[in-house]
Amino acid sequence: LAKTTQPISMDSYEGQEVNITCSHNNIATNDYITWYQQFPSQGPRFIIQGYKTKVTNEVASLFIPADRKSSTLSLPRVSLSDTAVYYCLVGPTGYSTLTFGKGTMLLVSP
Amino acid sequence: EPEVTQTPSHQVTQMGQEVILRCVPISNHLYFYWYRQILGQKVEFLVSFYNNEISEKSEIFDDQFSVERPDGSNFTLKIRSTKLEDSAMYFCASSDPPQGYGDGGYTFGSGTRLTVV
Repeated sequence: LAKTTQPISMDSYEGQEVNITCSHNNIATNDYITWYQQFPSQGPRFIIQGYKTKVTNEVASLFIPADRKSSTLSLPRVSLSDTAVYYCLVGPTGYSTLTFGKGTMLLVSP
Repeated sequence: EPEVTQTPSHQVTQMGQEVILRCVPISNHLYFYWYRQILGQKVEFLVSFYNNEISEKSEIFDDQFSVERPDGSNFTLKIRSTKLEDSAMYFCASSDPPQGYGDGGYTFGSGTRLTVV
């Protein structure tokens, strides 16, 4: 599996856009990039996934450059309830168990 | 939105006792997983289960652990002779089709906090 590196923590204020970048230099051709969110004492929740370029859903956007060696999760206009740990995972499509890293702890303040 | 339900939300047990953690996966899902998270640490894979048998297990999932789908709706994790280091949040997840990194993700439950004293 590709090793991922993301910031340990980030701080933001309500209403701001937050961008969390994950680097995955040894991503393989058949690897996808997946982001999960975890609130305290809850299970991880799937946010978004992508293979290349840009993916957008009702929660977030995922930007993947052409070389796919990094990706950026973008959260528009965060609120206090977006305070959580965000995990970047990289691995193959099809059946596979997930390998979580330490994630990025996002703290949103008023 | 369909949910994965786990019970109990919190269980305290004496060291050496057996515990059973229960999960009700999403009804049309066929692939089930257990993960755990020790306080302050990473979410770790324990086991995956499909068609009434274990598909894959990690080195954490030793003979102390077992899984079962006793009926059409429940999926259980049994820990025999619990140890202090088994204290963790245990998360059940389900998916269909088999999910990896590119197929929409797993649905996790809210977890059972197991405290071994």
